[in-house]
Amino acid sequence: RKEVEQDPGPFNVPEGATVAFNCTYSNSASQSFFWYRQDCRKEPKLLMSVYSSGNEDGRFTAQLNRASQYISLLIRDSKLSDSATYLCVVSLGGSQGNLIFGKGTKLSVKP
Amino acid sequence: DAGITQSPRYKITETGRQVTLMCHQTWSHSYMFWYRQDLGHGLRLIYYSAAADITDKGEVPDGYVVSRSKTENFPLTLESATRSQTSVYFCASSVQLETQYFGPGTRLLVL
Repeated sequence: RKEVEQDPGPFNVPEGATVAFNCTYSNSASQSFFWYRQDCRKEPKLLMSVYSSGNEDGRFTAQLNRASQYISLLIRDSKLSDSATYLCVVSLGGSQGNLIFGKGTKLSVKP
Repeated sequence: DAGITQSPRYKITETGRQVTLMCHQTWSHSYMFWYRQDLGHGLRLIYYSAAADITDKGEVPDGYVVSRSKTENFPLTLESATRSQTSVYFCASSVQLETQYFGPGTRLLVL
């Protein structure tokens, strides 16, 4: 079983749509959770951290369910500029700080 | 403010040659990382460093060597390049273990 699993997509949505990405992780000892965004042929960039209480940043909402080992990202009112690959990332914490990356979910927002 | 840079950005080499990929950061971050990104695998950690002169293996270290004589530099050397090392290589740095900032990447083709 993969450590971090995501639906690869692609998700093709019209502008203004709401889209949700899901992610599951296998290691129950995972400490920290993130969503990174990666544009085509660019480097990954941190989009937001994910907290147990859920957190929101503008049109983006992230949720964590530790019991189900499940992470989600909701994007409301999609913009063309949201087109990218979204990477679910998990960390075990500790001295290594090893980030475990999912393979990413590709989003394409169409006019 | 250059942040984190990588050179070269593109490299073509032949099987058996030694290749060194450079990574330089201007933030004085303690931690630095090398990842490779391949289709179907996502990002995988090759090596990381917690400070100058401290390095450790990641998930896929075979065939690679790193050094960190100065905090700001973290070169990655392929001692004898193989076709399977054709990939996109990303360097990253961080103050805390988990919020990592990535360089623009080096695209390496081994013929």
